[in-house]
Amino acid sequence: GAGVSQSPSNKVTEKGKDVELRCDPISGHTALYWYRQSLGQGLEFLIYFQGNSAPDKSGLPSDRFSAERTGGSVSTLTIQRTQQEDSAVYLCASSLAYSSYEQYFGPGTRLTVT
Amino acid sequence: KQEVTQIPAALSVPEGENLVLNCSFTDSAIYNLQWFRQDPGKGLTSLLLIQSSQREQTSGRLNASLDKSSGRSTLYIAASQPGDSATYLCAVRLLSGGGADGLTFGKGTHLIIQP
Repeated sequence: GAGVSQSPSNKVTEKGKDVELRCDPISGHTALYWYRQSLGQGLEFLIYFQGNSAPDKSGLPSDRFSAERTGGSVSTLTIQRTQQEDSAVYLCASSLAYSSYEQYFGPGTRLTVT
Repeated sequence: KQEVTQIPAALSVPEGENLVLNCSFTDSAIYNLQWFRQDPGKGLTSLLLIQSSQREQTSGRLNASLDKSSGRSTLYIAASQPGDSATYLCAVRLLSGGGADGLTFGKGTHLIIQP
């Protein structure tokens, strides 16, 4: 079956512009996660959604970052007023439910802020 | 704060060898531990998931063990092949309730299998 998909695969933007990254989870998966992978920093957890519950935003790196999930399925991660330090690969994952289930990752969106 | 450490950071071995990748974590209160591989420019592929109540999981030539009390996991790769070349990542899921607790990852072991 279809895996987690993300779009765009690559995004180059100018400093100060806003960007939107999209994630389509595996059908039937109620939990969705966003991570960031920066060069030399490793993988960093950002935010998760469980069904239609409001997410805990405490893992987001700054208030320029926001995320939403519509209808318990597709999610968008928005970065406002992008900075060069936002350059990274943004990975989305989904799982059947929260906590004990295996997470499946998408291919990621490579964001470059110039 | 949970910290995950992977040793070695890089490993290069001839094809056919058996090898062990190590992962350690500081907080033993975990739901589970997951091993992934990441190929250059790609996302993560899940290899094995071990629940906190389990001691090991096997898939083909891969065997992962978990010793929760000592905060350690190993990934054993038998009869290595050039196609096994990738970065291997270990990640744990904390038991903490109500927090923003996704997976906590190690920095990975970059593995090269020489033909």
